[in-house]
Amino acid sequence: KQEVTQIPAALSVPEGENLVLNCSFTDSAIYNLQWFRQDPGKGLTSLLLIQSSQREQTSGRLNASLDKSSGRSTLYIAASQPGDSATYLCAVRPGNDYKLSFGAGTTVTVRA
Amino acid sequence: SAVISQKPSRDICQRGTSLTIQCQVDSQVTMMFWYRQQPGQSLTLIATANQGSEATYESGFVIDKFPISRPNLTFSTLTVSNMSPEDSSIYLCSARDIGNTIYFGEGSWLTVV
Repeated sequence: KQEVTQIPAALSVPEGENLVLNCSFTDSAIYNLQWFRQDPGKGLTSLLLIQSSQREQTSGRLNASLDKSSGRSTLYIAASQPGDSATYLCAVRPGNDYKLSFGAGTTVTVRA
Repeated sequence: SAVISQKPSRDICQRGTSLTIQCQVDSQVTMMFWYRQQPGQSLTLIATANQGSEATYESGFVIDKFPISRPNLTFSTLTVSNMSPEDSSIYLCSARDIGNTIYFGEGSWLTVV
């Protein structure tokens, strides 16, 4: 069974600092990995999707890397802003299935 | 892209009652899913909603407790039956489109008292 772990569980930084969020998974036979953002009281918004054959994906200030062999992904958010405050969830889709396994999330607070 | 609407967005329910959550997608999708997010925890898949047939439930979830319907490609319902305080959660509808992009609804926040 795929286990997805996110460290740290919570993170508080001053505005302008770069954020580094970690995700690890136990089974490297994945189809893809996806990062989501969840605002309080809201659903999930997809940020980046990395296919198993890719090493990284970038969108604006966001960059996600994937090291499938070691079972790790990292989400980098450059020059953080208070609007980046949210919970970030990592989800893994296995190679032989369509179901996602989610980590517990990292709750980020960016202080103005 | 697809937009998913869920109703109700929030409700307070008496224990022992049942509540049906509706999920409407504004475009055709291939698959629809229902997740539960208990307080302080991550998402757990309840079931895959299959069009015109019985849903496929994950381990720990049963049809009697969480009956699901999906009468067409863009609509699904989840009923939480005979509720207890342990059912207090966010229930999220999700859909996958033909391009394999995944979308989530805003969630339905249930509090059982």
